[in-house]
This record gives sequence, structure tokens and C-alpha cells, in this order.
Amino acid sequence: DTAVSQTPKYLVTQMGNDKSIKCEQNLGHDTMYWYKQDSKKFLKIMFSYNNKELIINETVPNRFSPKSPDKAHLNLHINSLELGDSAVYFCASSQERGRDTQYFGPGTRLTVL
Amino acid sequence: SQQGEEDPQALSIQEGENATMNCSYKTSINNLQWYRQNSGRGLVHLILIRSNEREKHSGRLRVTLDTSKKSSSLLITASRAADTASYFCATDSYEDDYKLSFGAGTTVTVRA
Repeated sequence: DTAVSQTPKYLVTQMGNDKSIKCEQNLGHDTMYWYKQDSKKFLKIMFSYNNKELIINETVPNRFSPKSPDKAHLNLHINSLELGDSAVYFCASSQERGRDTQYFGPGTRLTVL
Repeated sequence: SQQGEEDPQALSIQEGENATMNCSYKTSINNLQWYRQNSGRGLVHLILIRSNEREKHSGRLRVTLDTSKKSSSLLITASRAADTASYFCATDSYEDDYKLSFGAGTTVTVRA
């Protein structure tokens, strides 16, 4: 009964390819997030959706596009992958926006060759 | 931008000892949270302390918050090998639209 799940867990791809990461939460939360964790473990928010509406859009290249088909799902599509996109991407959810406990998925390790 | 900074960056202790790590932040906050990340895993929430609280306990964890110094500490008592992980503080602020801002983390190694 995984609360926040992500697929795939590992993603290895060539520069220039397009890839997607899927996220699903079964906690009934209204808010979902995407974070990027770099090799130095810095964790930075990328996007946040509340009830399918985009509420946080940090300074992220527009090659990254989140999509929320319903409030239990938040997918991340990345176009024209670059070497610098290599990182671990985490999905998270919370009941309230921002100031509440967040529940994280297991992460997707993306390696761009 | 990174709001919190943890100190030390790394900590190695013997099983049974206490581990203390600190977090400093720059702007006024609503809440401060501590998360644990085991190697290769997602973050797990440990404790949330509100800006009007000074201390909170959860099992072997004790968190303090000093808003005048803009700092927090996490104490793990009677550490176990399973406590080996990275620990992150995260703050939110109404000034920053309640986005969670994480520090770089403290890596704790508990030796058996």
C-alpha cells in the first residue's frame, strides 16, 4: 500500500530524448509536488499542483512540463534531455499547500548520457 | 534558494550515543520540519515544529526552535545503526508562498 509511488525508479537515456516520470498518491491529498535532488543532495522544488491547478512553477527550463490528469496523479515530462538533467526526481504530496507534512515517493534516478 | 543550512555536514557516532545536528535559516518562518533520507530512498517526515513552539518530542527525537536566532536543532538519543541516514531541515514562510525550502542535510553514520 505505497502512499506515493513513482515510475520508473531508474531511467537511463541519451541526450536529446524525451522521457516521462509518473507519480501517483493514494492518500487523498490535494497538493502534489515535483522536486529535483542534485548530486550534492540539494533538494529544490520544481512544481506544485493543487487540485489539478499549477500553483508553483519555479525557474525551470520549459523543457520540463508537469501534467496533472487528476488530483491523485502528477506526471513530469522532459523534452530534449540534457546532461545537466541527471538527478534524482522526487514526487511528494500533502493535504495542505506548502505548510503541511509532505509525503515523498521513492525517487526516480535519471541519468542522461 | 536554499533557506536552511545544516551543521555539521557529516557526523559519525557510536551506537548508543546521542547525535545532535543544527539548522539555521535566513527569513522568518511559519513552520520548520525535519526529514530523514535513507540511502537511495525518498524523504520521510520526522517532526514539524511551528514558529510559536520552542520544543517538540517524538520518541527518541527532540527538536528545539529558537526563532530569535533563526535556528533549530535535532537531537537523536540512544542512536541505533538504523538511524544512519541524511537528515534535512525544511522551512516554509508566508513570504515565499509557503514553499518548503530544504537545507543541504547532515549525513549521520552510526557505527555498531
